[in-house]
Amino acid sequence: KAGVTQTPRYLIKTRGQQVTLSCSPISGHRSVSWYQQTPGQGLQFLFEYFSETQRNKGNFPGRFSGRQFSNSRSEMNVSTLELGDSALYLCASSTALEGNTEAFFGQGTRLTVV
Amino acid sequence: AQKVTQAQTEISVVEKEDVTLDCVYETRDTTYYLFWYKQPPSGELVFLIRRNSFDEQNEISGRYSWNFQKSTSSFNFTITASQVVDSAVYFCALKGFKTIFGAGTRLFVKA
Repeated sequence: KAGVTQTPRYLIKTRGQQVTLSCSPISGHRSVSWYQQTPGQGLQFLFEYFSETQRNKGNFPGRFSGRQFSNSRSEMNVSTLELGDSALYLCASSTALEGNTEAFFGQGTRLTVV
Repeated sequence: AQKVTQAQTEISVVEKEDVTLDCVYETRDTTYYLFWYKQPPSGELVFLIRRNSFDEQNEISGRYSWNFQKSTSSFNFTITASQVVDSAVYFCALKGFKTIFGAGTRLFVKA
């Protein structure tokens, strides 16, 4: 079956702009999590959605937001982009929220803010 | 607070050598899960193993093996007879309420 699909794969934006990233989970998966990966901070948890509700949130400013649709697809939005938002954004899907489930990751969206 | 420490930033080995990647974690949760992921150059994280806090049984899967010791809060990963295709960044992760990743260990396997 198809894996986790993230679009776009690459993005270049200017400081101050906003951006929306998309994640289509594996069919049947209801949980979607988002992570930011940077060379300096490593992999950091952004938020987790299950059944259209945000269940968990990492320590990121309010400029970072997300949502999940009824078909489990998820989007994350970053407003007023800063240079430090340049990162690889990874999305993972799993069947449930509980840790005892395997998470499948997409290839990520590489965002560059100039 | 939760924390995952992967003290080895980079490891370089020659093909067929055995290599162990260390992972030490901190958590106050009594129920938690530990994971290892591999990140090849293509970017996506590939799941390798999951352990819950009540299962200290070690596991072997082909050339991969994992040693979970609750007494030392460690969940180490050993690759036996390493191959060039094992070259990647390996992440240890802890999930209690939230998922915390270690900084990763970059493994270079030279032919």
